[in-house]
Amino acid sequence: DTAVSQTPKYLVTQMGNDKSIKCEQNLGHDTMYWYKQDSKKFLKIMFSYNNKELIINETVPNRFSPKSPDKAHLNLHINSLELGDSAVYFCASSQYGTGRNSPLHFGNGTRLTVT
Amino acid sequence: GENVEQHPSTLSVQEGDSAVIKCTYSDSASNYFPWYKQELGKRPQLIIDIRSNVGEKKDQRIAVTLNKTAKHFSLHITETQPEDSAVYFCAARGNEKLTFGTGTRLTIIP
Repeated sequence: DTAVSQTPKYLVTQMGNDKSIKCEQNLGHDTMYWYKQDSKKFLKIMFSYNNKELIINETVPNRFSPKSPDKAHLNLHINSLELGDSAVYFCASSQYGTGRNSPLHFGNGTRLTVT
Repeated sequence: GENVEQHPSTLSVQEGDSAVIKCTYSDSASNYFPWYKQELGKRPQLIIDIRSNVGEKKDQRIAVTLNKTAKHFSLHITETQPEDSAVYFCAARGNEKLTFGTGTRLTIIP
């Protein structure tokens, strides 16, 4: 059973479109994250939610909007897609968020290509 | 905020030799330092982590050392094997978030 699953695995779309990526974790973790990995492999945090509450919101264009309907799900919606949004987006979860250290468990990634 | 530097960016070693990857961090309040391995086309996976109250940790062929005074930590892989070829990321946690280094592409030469 996949602990952190995200869909779709691949997403090819045109500039200006709106798209969503879904993420679910079955680990019972409190905290979920979205990371972006660009072509140079840099891993950069975008958002973090703890028990459905937004706790980290990095300098990300407001075209990106995360939504957490419950603590097991964290979706990412992207409006008006641009070429520079092409990247691999990783969802992750950890048992604890604030104040306590626990490792991240990553999903398999969604490769977004904007043409 | 936290800044993590990682060196080298690429590393090639002969199979059976050792590999060392080094990271420095800027936030003296950081207290958790994991290492992740990412194989081609796969997700990053935790291979070892160390907390600030420990100077060294070992797990079979992998070890991590931490020098809090100098604010640097290192990953050591001994007796390297072809399956060790991957991109390795260090990370440091200060405040609320984990900041990753820029990655090291390790290639094991048979």
